[in-house]
Amino acid sequence: DAKTTQPPSMDCAEGRAANLPCNHSTISGNEYVYWYRQIHSQGPQYIIHGLKNNETNEMASLIITEDRKSSTLILPHATLRDTAVYYCIVRVGRDDKIIFGKGTRLHILP
Amino acid sequence: DTGVSQNPRHKITKRGQNVTFRCDPISEHNRLYWYRQTLGQGPEFLTYFQNEAQLEKSRLLSDRFSAERPKGSFSTLEIQRTEQGDSAMYLCASSFSGRATEAFFGQGTRLTVV
Repeated sequence: DAKTTQPPSMDCAEGRAANLPCNHSTISGNEYVYWYRQIHSQGPQYIIHGLKNNETNEMASLIITEDRKSSTLILPHATLRDTAVYYCIVRVGRDDKIIFGKGTRLHILP
Repeated sequence: DTGVSQNPRHKITKRGQNVTFRCDPISEHNRLYWYRQTLGQGPEFLTYFQNEAQLEKSRLLSDRFSAERPKGSFSTLEIQRTEQGDSAMYLCASSFSGRATEAFFGQGTRLTVV
C-alpha cells in the first residue's frame, strides 16, 4: 500500500509556481521521497528524489521538512505541458519497487 | 538508447482469449518491472525481474497471468482466458540495479476485453 497522502487535484496558473504537498508521516529513516509524474496516455516519468536535504534539478525542487513527515514538490514556472498526475512515493532506494498511490492531478490554467 | 518499448500499444480481445504483450527494456538494464493501471488509479505493481530471474510477484498476479524474461533482455506478459476486469493499461519499466539511474517507463499497452 502507498505510504503517502496527496490532495486529489490542484490548479495552478501558467507561469506561476506549482507547489504540490505530500504527507508521509510513517516514513522510515532509510526511505527516500520520490516524485514521478504521468502525462495523459504516457508512462510515468521520474522527476526528483531526496532523503533529508532539499534537492533541485532542471525540472523541479523538492523541499522536505525537518521531521521528514511531509514534503513539497515545486515546479517553479508551470507551463501547460506540466498538466499531469504527480505521484509522491517513499521507497528505500532505486532498487526498491515503486508503489504508486492515486497522486495529485495538476491542472495548469492558461 | 531508444527507451523502453512496448508492443502492441493497443489490443482489443474477446473475453476468454489469450493475449501476450512484449516489453523491450533499455539496453543493458538488468531490472524489468510490470505494472497494471486502471482508469483513475495509479499504476499497480505486478512483478519484476532481475536478469532472467523473477524475484517478486504481487498477489494481483493471478494464475491466469504469467511473465517471462527468458534471456534477461525482453519480457513477455501473457494473460490467459481474459476477463473484462483485465481491461487496463499494462506498463513496463526498466532500470539498472546498482547504478545511479532511475527507472524508465514505457508507453504501455492498453488492453480492452470485450
